Amino acid sequence: SQTIHQWPATLVQPVGSPLSLECTVEGTSNPNLYWYRQAAGRGLQLLFYSVGIGQISSEVPQNLSASRPQDRQFILSSKKLLLSDSGFYLCACSPNTEAFFGQGTRLTVV
Amino acid sequence: TQLLEQSPQFLSIQEGENLTVYCNSSSVFSSLQWYRQEPGEGPVLLVTVVTGGEVKKLKRLTFQFGDARKDSSLHITAAQPGDTGLYLCAGAVGNQFYFGTGTSLTVIP
Repeated sequence: SQTIHQWPATLVQPVGSPLSLECTVEGTSNPNLYWYRQAAGRGLQLLFYSVGIGQISSEVPQNLSASRPQDRQFILSSKKLLLSDSGFYLCACSPNTEAFFGQGTRLTVV
Repeated sequence: TQLLEQSPQFLSIQEGENLTVYCNSSSVFSSLQWYRQEPGEGPVLLVTVVTGGEVKKLKRLTFQFGDARKDSSLHITAAQPGDTGLYLCAGAVGNQFYFGTGTSLTVIP
């Protein structure tokens, strides 16, 4: 079965600083990969998804970008963080018809 | 635009009570998943339903997919404190998963 590694678990960054969150997947090949953001106690908002290396689709216009340099690596980035970028970020992998999640990164922009 | 609406948003019940959570949409989904999430952790998959009208049971949890594959329900019998958490439904459309608004359940001992 697949395992999703996501780090760091928590991050505090000043406004205007860059961001890089990394997600790697084990136990599957050529999965679909996703980045979600979650407000406290609420549902997940899809930010980006990727069906293959170098293929990124964005769901909402925003201050963030994503890249997939390798089959099982998905990176979420920002050049300059905004206060509104604070939230709980989740990476997910779908090898078939179901999604499996990493442990998440709590980002606080101060 | 929120494709999936869950109700209720919050639910607080006594241990031993029964409850039902609803997940509704105007869209048709090829499959629908239910997840449970604890604070500070990623959602954990509970079940996937694929066929309209399908019913799946997982111990005290019963999941049903609507005949038209637009909605689903989760029924918990004799709730226990360990059932406390955020319950999320998610619908699959092609390569994408769209999540519901979430139901926060608290079971009081």
